[in-house]
Amino acid sequence: DGGITQSPKYLFRKEGQNVTLSCEQNLNHDAMYWYRQDPGQGLRLIYYSQIVNDFQKGDIAEGYSVSREKKESFPLTVTSAQKNPTAFYLCASSPSIAGNYEQYFGPGTRLTVT
Amino acid sequence: AQSVTQPDIHITVSEGASLELRCNYSYGATPYLFWYVQSPGQGLQLLLKYFSGDTLVQGIKGFEAEFKRSQSSFNLRKPSVHWSDAAEYFCAVGTTYMDTGRRALTFGSGTRLQVQP
Repeated sequence: DGGITQSPKYLFRKEGQNVTLSCEQNLNHDAMYWYRQDPGQGLRLIYYSQIVNDFQKGDIAEGYSVSREKKESFPLTVTSAQKNPTAFYLCASSPSIAGNYEQYFGPGTRLTVT
Repeated sequence: AQSVTQPDIHITVSEGASLELRCNYSYGATPYLFWYVQSPGQGLQLLLKYFSGDTLVQGIKGFEAEFKRSQSSFNLRKPSVHWSDAAEYFCAVGTTYMDTGRRALTFGSGTRLQVQP
């Protein structure tokens, strides 16, 4: 069954700690994305990657970091520099960054920082 | 810059009633348009998409949407709503960044649908 998995579903951290959210896809897609979702808002792009070993900042990259060492994996680290990290995080993928825009989404990770 | 407006933050309909969710976009060329649905605590699922051709597109779960260029709209409709349709619905437009050629999705802020028995 092809798809995108994100783990864990719920994550709790203390303020000041870095935390890494996992995203894995077995769709053989080249492009992967991380979005942040807050209540009453649409999705905002944090980072995206077109290809292995390459990634670019999105609209709200400050306080976040990513890596893309394997095609199927695109982990997101929420650092202590992120001022308001509590949110719902969604990972997505698409066959190509220059394709028809369609993206496939994972189930999301809800991060709570106290 | 491209933008998407969903004017209704929250809509409540009775089960069995018809539904229309509004979406307006701003884009210079022919847009690539999408509707996604999100159940509480879940990811987004694609309902339908419009790239070109017939302006009335059919999607999953009995949904359809009509592209109206003159109104810059892509409203989502369903003739008879089921309780399981309660969710949040997002309209999105495909956006191309001319400097990099990158293609991205620009999302509206969503419409939360509540279904009354």
